Amino acid sequence: GAGVSQSPRYKVAKRGQDVALRCDPISGHVSLFWYQQALGQGPEFLTYFQNEAQLDKSGLPSDRFFAERPEGSVSTLKIQRTQQEDSAVYLCASSPPGGPRVGEAFFGQGTRLTVV
Amino acid sequence: AQKVTQAQTEISVVEKEDVTLDCVYETRDTTYYLFWYKQPPSGELVFLIRRNSFDEQNEISGRYSWNFQKSTSSFNFTITASQVVDSAVYFCALSMASNDYKLSFGAGTTVTVRA
Repeated sequence: GAGVSQSPRYKVAKRGQDVALRCDPISGHVSLFWYQQALGQGPEFLTYFQNEAQLDKSGLPSDRFFAERPEGSVSTLKIQRTQQEDSAVYLCASSPPGGPRVGEAFFGQGTRLTVV
Repeated sequence: AQKVTQAQTEISVVEKEDVTLDCVYETRDTTYYLFWYKQPPSGELVFLIRRNSFDEQNEISGRYSWNFQKSTSSFNFTITASQVVDSAVYFCALSMASNDYKLSFGAGTTVTVRA
């Protein structure tokens, strides 16, 4: 498809389980962003990639969160030993070459993670 | 640090009424960008408008218009002649020119347009 694709759309994990969330950006898009959106809140920044380089991971809440983009295309957000407070929608966005310009990025529909 | 406040949690209107969404921001930077996004029930964030801090000219784009006032740190957004398809959560957001990859969002305003 032409847009940012995220999978799975929904994920239910038992507390303590590891999860992996996938993001397929728009082809040719250099910058990729992950945001976390808790219920009833605005999204919050997690991390930012320029090609395969992770330039900022200051928003990752703990060392249980890990993101990668090994070939500068698909990205995976991994959460180890999930906890209930990790329940949220995880949004991925990508933007074309020419700078981060997150404000002009295209967002995916998100993965809704529920930890039970 | 920057902060975005959307004081209105929910707004309900009848079709064809105008809707104005309030947004107040805080930042110490002199160069920044302000945005409005729409999030329909399908979940994706849809970019609506962007404004640079050095351009306070207010504009109209179709049924959307905005009022940017630096003196009061406000960036309000109006939908004219609302339609049912405008029903969504609307977010105001701010990014710094110095790190133009990090958006700070408000908590959002849920707009319901009734037929």
